[in-house]
Amino acid sequence: EVHLVESGGGLVKPGGSLRLSCVASGFTLSGAWMSWVRQTPEKGLEWVGHMKSKADGGTTDYAEFVKGRFTISRDDSKNTLYLQMNSLKNEDTAVYYCSTEGKYCSSPGCYWFDPWGQGTLVTVSS
Amino acid sequence: DIQMTQSPSSLSVAVGDRVTITCRASQSIGSYLNWYQQKPGKAPQVLIYAATSLRSGVPSRFSGSGSGTGFTLTISSLQPEDVATYYCQQTYSTPSITFGQGTRLEIK
Repeated sequence: EVHLVESGGGLVKPGGSLRLSCVASGFTLSGAWMSWVRQTPEKGLEWVGHMKSKADGGTTDYAEFVKGRFTISRDDSKNTLYLQMNSLKNEDTAVYYCSTEGKYCSSPGCYWFDPWGQGTLVTVSS
Repeated sequence: DIQMTQSPSSLSVAVGDRVTITCRASQSIGSYLNWYQQKPGKAPQVLIYAATSLRSGVPSRFSGSGSGTGFTLTISSLQPEDVATYYCQQTYSTPSITFGQGTRLEIK
């Protein structure tokens, strides 16, 4: 069974750093396109960034509001995806989810997010 | 960014009644539209993909329609287990995908 488990959330001061982990089971992470998505009551669901599969170059893309501050990486030996968050702001407070981008056709936009992990709460506050 | 606007933001419907949720895109997105269900305390789960295709295992009372800028999620006969928040998502502008703000569905 395909399963994702996030961890690493917590309370951090503005300007601080935090690293989230997403451990995958039931599939090989390096073979998948993986996204981070965050959720707040105010802004709802926001795509944060993704990492392409190893076969597709393993490159990353980010939402404008995290560019230069957040970095996605992967440890294939641990089947784990990471989200390194630096220079955190109050508005980064959210539940962060990792998810697999599942393709249903060959066109670039043909995908859904499934499965998702259970999420990990990040609170940025002084 | 492509803006996705859902309506209504919340609704209360009796068991057995029909539910219609609308999602409008700020520009044409073809059929690159997914619908998700999120139950309290859980992560979202995909119900409909490519605007009209039912994900395997999803009850047939769920259906999707539309293309271009206007889309609809319909529940033909509301069941108690359908209480959740529903989100649309566009993947046209990949990788900068966006979600609607959500529609909260309750039982009347």
